[in-house]
Amino acid sequence: QKEVEQNSGPLSVPEGAIASLNCTYSDRGSQSFFWYRQYSGKSPELIMFIYSNGDKEDGRFTAQLNKASQYVSLLIRDSQPSDSATYLCAVIDSNYQLIWGAGTKLIIKP
Amino acid sequence: DTGVSQNPRHKITKRGQNVTFRCDPISEHNRLYWYRQTLGQGPEFLTYFQNEAQLEKSRLLSDRFSAERPKGSFSTLEIQRTEQGDSAMYLCASSLAWGENSPLHFGNGTRLTVT
Repeated sequence: QKEVEQNSGPLSVPEGAIASLNCTYSDRGSQSFFWYRQYSGKSPELIMFIYSNGDKEDGRFTAQLNKASQYVSLLIRDSQPSDSATYLCAVIDSNYQLIWGAGTKLIIKP
Repeated sequence: DTGVSQNPRHKITKRGQNVTFRCDPISEHNRLYWYRQTLGQGPEFLTYFQNEAQLEKSRLLSDRFSAERPKGSFSTLEIQRTEQGDSAMYLCASSLAWGENSPLHFGNGTRLTVT
């Protein structure tokens, strides 16, 4: 059973600090990795995607991929209360199936 | 607005009734996906289309569920003889078919409540 695992949280971070969200995956042949943000009652919104090992930065967001250790992270710098949401990790595995994690709830405290 | 459009936004129905949802994808996207999501869970795959062809359907999906994309543009998802367990958010997403790694873009979803 191919899996994507996330800590359900909630993860509480003070405003202005760095929020670090982690995701591990079981299929070593996975090839594409996505982070989505989902506000309560709303649909998922694509934040970032990453395909290669290393870091990818977009504004306050940085995705980090380590294929050897089979994890992908999302860092949010200068966290804002509006960043409070559930963050979903999704992975395209070696069979080209999109596998979703259950999400981590992030709370940014003013 | 050029995003994925879903309607209705909310649907309340009585158990045993049929319901149909509509999704209009981003116009240049070839792939269209249907997902279901309940509270505290990630999206659960239901089915997907490439153009008008339905290429995959979840083995967990009841025969009461059917989806169509007759002209390769909009899609409909029908649930027959609804049950209370069908209550969920139904999400539609679309993507480009280039490679296998195109990100999915979601619509606002249809929230179904079966009473």
